Amino acid sequence: DGGITQSPKYLFRKEGQNVTLSCEQNLNHDAMYWYRQDPGQGLRLIYYSQIVNDFQKGDIAEGYSVSREKKESFPLTVTSAQKNPTAFYLCASKLGSGGNQPQHFGDGTRLSIL
Amino acid sequence: GQQLNQSPQSMFIQEGEDVSMNCTSSSIFNTWLWYKQDPGEGPVLLIALYKAGELTSNGRLTAQFGITRKDSFLNISASIPSDVGIYFCAGLQAGGTSYGKLTFGQGTILTVHP
Repeated sequence: DGGITQSPKYLFRKEGQNVTLSCEQNLNHDAMYWYRQDPGQGLRLIYYSQIVNDFQKGDIAEGYSVSREKKESFPLTVTSAQKNPTAFYLCASKLGSGGNQPQHFGDGTRLSIL
Repeated sequence: GQQLNQSPQSMFIQEGEDVSMNCTSSSIFNTWLWYKQDPGEGPVLLIALYKAGELTSNGRLTAQFGITRKDSFLNISASIPSDVGIYFCAGLQAGGTSYGKLTFGQGTILTVHP
């Protein structure tokens, strides 16, 4: 089945530890996005990538890093510099780097602090 | 970052009732999207609107793109228990450096009592 796969579903981080969240899509989408969702708030953009080997900071990039070495993969690393990492993280992708095609989402990864 | 003003924040209704929610912005958008999110899942696209004044239906759901391009509404008719979830609006600004970036509302939490 085509879709966007995020893993793991649940992740726990110890203090001082970096953790990496996986996002893979087999939709041949060009652009990929990472969002953070906190209770009672809308989605906030962390990083996005329109093409392979290129990515830009979103609204809340501090404490996060990404890479886009392959079209189908856009992993997010939550670094120890992110002091409040507990949240629901959503990956999205869309066809075309610009334009008005809608974004489609994965099922999310819930990150908690140990 | 900019957010859309989505209202109401929450709704408690009886099964069979109609529901209406809306989003407003001070900025013009050229695309409006409505998503539904079930607990612990990623948002799923319900309706996409691409033209000012456009009225689009998807089953019991109807959404409209406001004439001013600064607002949109979503109606759900004859609600059923599986309509429970969080509904998000999202807007895409025209051209420039937006690169498909979406601005999200804070969400409307819908509870349906049988």
